[in-house]
Amino acid sequence: DAKTTQPPSMDCAEGRAANLPCNHSTISGNEYVYWYRQIHSQGPQYIIHGLKNNETNEMASLIITEDRKSSTLILPHATLRDTAVYYCIYWGKNTGNQFYFGTGTSLTVIP
Amino acid sequence: GAGVSQTPSNKVTEKGKYVELRCDPISGHTALYWYRQSLGQGPEFLIYFQGTGAADDSGLPNDRFFAVRPEGSVSTLKIQRTERGDSAVYLCASSLNVPGTSGGQYNEQFFGPGTRLTVL
Repeated sequence: DAKTTQPPSMDCAEGRAANLPCNHSTISGNEYVYWYRQIHSQGPQYIIHGLKNNETNEMASLIITEDRKSSTLILPHATLRDTAVYYCIYWGKNTGNQFYFGTGTSLTVIP
Repeated sequence: GAGVSQTPSNKVTEKGKYVELRCDPISGHTALYWYRQSLGQGPEFLIYFQGTGAADDSGLPNDRFFAVRPEGSVSTLKIQRTERGDSAVYLCASSLNVPGTSGGQYNEQFFGPGTRLTVL
């Protein structure tokens, strides 16, 4: 029973919006979804988190479906520096009360 | 302010040796986490601390691995009788609150740069 499901890789043209999907069908009602990214050879970097409502910060926007079974991270104007592996995770009883990262989505921003 | 720091950044050791990896979390963060990351994989949970106590150590692969956080700040991950399969990047993270205690707010983890362990 996969905890989160993400496509293994995606490409995006520089300057365009990058939309990264994540399925988290086993999430419970009070468990937040977190997004992180990891640039090669660095530790993961926090991007954004949300519960029910859509969220936006200086880095990205997070769209969560009404049934909370999936979410989409949006990088509105992707740059080459956004090339990284993106992980969606959550903490809860269906992840054994641990943050389960999976293998994430490798996003390549193309000039 | 200072972020999470980890020392050493690289550690090369021989099979069978003992190693210690250190993590300095962000001051005031209650929770501290250790992860292990192998090439091409996401971080794999090992253990997390709430204050001085290990709240969940179910991710430690076997009894050769042990971690402590005696004063609720700095943590040390200890690996006895290292094996080649222990080679990986060991990541430490800290968060202000413990997940599940405040509904998710302030639970974002701040990661250190990791320690790359190579067992020859």
